[in-house]
Amino acid sequence: QQQVKQSPQSLIVQKGGISIINCAYENTAFDYFPWYQQFPGKGPALLIAIRPDVSEKKEGRFTISFNKSAKQFSLHIMDSQPGDSATYFCAASINSGNTPLVFGKGTRLSVIA
Amino acid sequence: DGGITQSPKYLFRKEGQNVTLSCEQNLNHDAMYWYRQDPGQGLRLIYYSQIVNDFQKGDIAEGYSVSREKKESFPLTVTSAQKNPTAFYLCASRRDSANEKLFFGSGTQLSVL
Repeated sequence: QQQVKQSPQSLIVQKGGISIINCAYENTAFDYFPWYQQFPGKGPALLIAIRPDVSEKKEGRFTISFNKSAKQFSLHIMDSQPGDSATYFCAASINSGNTPLVFGKGTRLSVIA
Repeated sequence: DGGITQSPKYLFRKEGQNVTLSCEQNLNHDAMYWYRQDPGQGLRLIYYSQIVNDFQKGDIAEGYSVSREKKESFPLTVTSAQKNPTAFYLCASRRDSANEKLFFGSGTQLSVL
């Protein structure tokens, strides 16, 4: 049973465009939702994270939008650059229960000039 | 530099052989994790440890074993019982099981000869 469903599997965006990656979850006990960025041959690194008490969080060109009622959250990358080309993973956990992160299957983003 | 060191970067396993992947961290983190990454499958949890001398099975523990004798070290053994071991293995840690940010190593690519 996949606890966090991520889409699309791959995404091609023109330089300067907006990249949007979506995730959906079922477990309403999840209370921590991070996004990780992974370059080829490297381990993932935390990009940005959100908790359910806010609907949006922005850090530079990266924004998380969170819809608690729909049990969905998304990553928006504004002014996408070739250097943003990477695999992005959404994740979720029940932090109050000290549970490990559950990851989505990932989205491979390619930003073309 | 503080961080997580995984070794070796590449590892080859013969049929019927056990192999051990090393993971060392100097971040003074209590919690450590092993994830397996297959193309298009995301990150799946193998084992995790929240404290020295204690560990729990993740979603895909069969065919794997771990130990946590020291805070800094969390080696993963891929046993001959794991019939499909070819994958990218990622070790991660966080300060404690309640602290959200997960730090990853650079991974070990395991292949079967």
